[in-house]
Amino acid sequence: TQLLEQSPQFLSIQEGENLTVYCNSSSVFSSLQWYRQEPGEGPVLLVTVVTGGEVKKLKRLTFQFGDARKDSSLHITAAQPGDTGLYLCAGGTPGNQFYFGTGTSLTVIP
Amino acid sequence: DTAVSQTPKYLVTQMGNDKSIKCEQNLGHDTMYWYKQDSKKFLKIMFSYNNKELIINETVPNRFSPKSPDKAHLNLHINSLELGDSAVYFCASSQALLRQGEQYFGPGTRLTVT
Repeated sequence: TQLLEQSPQFLSIQEGENLTVYCNSSSVFSSLQWYRQEPGEGPVLLVTVVTGGEVKKLKRLTFQFGDARKDSSLHITAAQPGDTGLYLCAGGTPGNQFYFGTGTSLTVIP
Repeated sequence: DTAVSQTPKYLVTQMGNDKSIKCEQNLGHDTMYWYKQDSKKFLKIMFSYNNKELIINETVPNRFSPKSPDKAHLNLHINSLELGDSAVYFCASSQALLRQGEQYFGPGTRLTVT
C-alpha cells in the first residue's frame, strides 16, 4: 500500500488569508489528483497533474507536482468560506489504481 | 441525471448479517471502484474492476466481494458483517485511458453495524 501523508491535518483560517496544503509520499506516481469533499457527499475532482514540476492554476487555487513525482502542494489565495471542505490528494499508478492521502480538513471563517 | 448513484444511502444492520450495496454509473466508463472511508476520513481503495480485470486490495477481507452484472454496475456484497465494517462506502468510475483516470464518485453509503 502506497501512503500519502497530507499536512496539515486540520486548518482553520480567516477569510482572505492564504494557505498551502502538502501531500508527500516516498512512492513515485504517474499522476496526482486533488479532490474536495463536502459533508455527506463524494469527493469531487479539482485537478490532475501528470508531469514532474507541473503547475496548474484553477482560479485562486494553484497546484504543483514535485519534480520527482512523489509530492504535491495545493495553494489557495484569499480563501473564502466556500473553500471549506476536506481536501484529498490521490496518487495514481500506471494501472489506474489510486491511493488517497490522509486528508486536510479546511475551515474558512467569514 | 446522476452520473454515479449508490443505494442505499444509509444502511443499519446487525453483526453477522449479509448485505449488498448497489452502484450504477451512466457515464459509459470502463472502470469502477469501491472505496471505504473510515471515521478519520481516510479513503482507502478496496477494489477496481473493468471488463477485463479485478484488482483487489490485499488488505480487504474476503467477506467483501464485488459483483458486476454488466459494465455499468458494480455491487458490493458483504458477508458476516462485523462492527469494524462500519464506515462510508463510495463507488466511483473512470475511463481508464481518458484524462488520466479522472474519477467520478457516488454520494456514498453510510453503513452502521450494531
